[in-house]
Amino acid sequence: EAGVAQSPRYKIIEKRQSVAFWCNPISGHATLYWYQQILGQGPKLLIQFQNNGVVDDSQLPKDRFSAERLKGVDSTLKIQPAKLEDSAVYLCASSLPDRAGNTIYFGEGSWLTVV
Amino acid sequence: DAKTTQPPSMDCAEGRAANLPCNHSTISGNEYVYWYRQIHSQGPQYIIHGLKNNETNEMASLIITEDRKSSTLILPHATLRDTAVYYCIVRPAPLSGSARQLTFGSGTQLTVLP
Repeated sequence: EAGVAQSPRYKIIEKRQSVAFWCNPISGHATLYWYQQILGQGPKLLIQFQNNGVVDDSQLPKDRFSAERLKGVDSTLKIQPAKLEDSAVYLCASSLPDRAGNTIYFGEGSWLTVV
Repeated sequence: DAKTTQPPSMDCAEGRAANLPCNHSTISGNEYVYWYRQIHSQGPQYIIHGLKNNETNEMASLIITEDRKSSTLILPHATLRDTAVYYCIVRPAPLSGSARQLTFGSGTQLTVLP
């Protein structure tokens, strides 16, 4: 079974530039998550989708971050304009719809460095 | 969501059992205990989860105390490849009305020594 695919794997941009990350979840997984992980910390949820609807985006800095999942499958996370403190790993994860025992699976992450 | 407390770091000798503790004294009756690990430069990997009973799979065993206020993840024969950050997470039950996200703490850095 293919896992959660993310791209690009690494990205270096200058502050005030924009960047976009792409995620393809495991086939059939209706729930998709984006997490931000700053070096030395645990991942922090940015946004959760159920199909193409947003379940929770309370921790998404909406002045510069946006995410979409137009057809309920792939998702993109965009940062514009980027700040130095956005340097982090951006993790995409997916799971089956909410029922007992559904496991959340993570991709390898997209590493962002803002200089 | 209930909070968890884990030691920041632990060492274990290769081939020996690694016992990683987690305190979750404010857990509620319908919340599950999940364990994930994160090997350097990789995404978090699911290990095991449980509600009340002890659980075992091909990766590890999970021992939950009777009062459910703490748990221990056991890697029976640790190898060098088990060196990682281990996260203990309390997650709301299915269909509880919560979004059922995973809320990560700082985890325990387990280092398996040769």
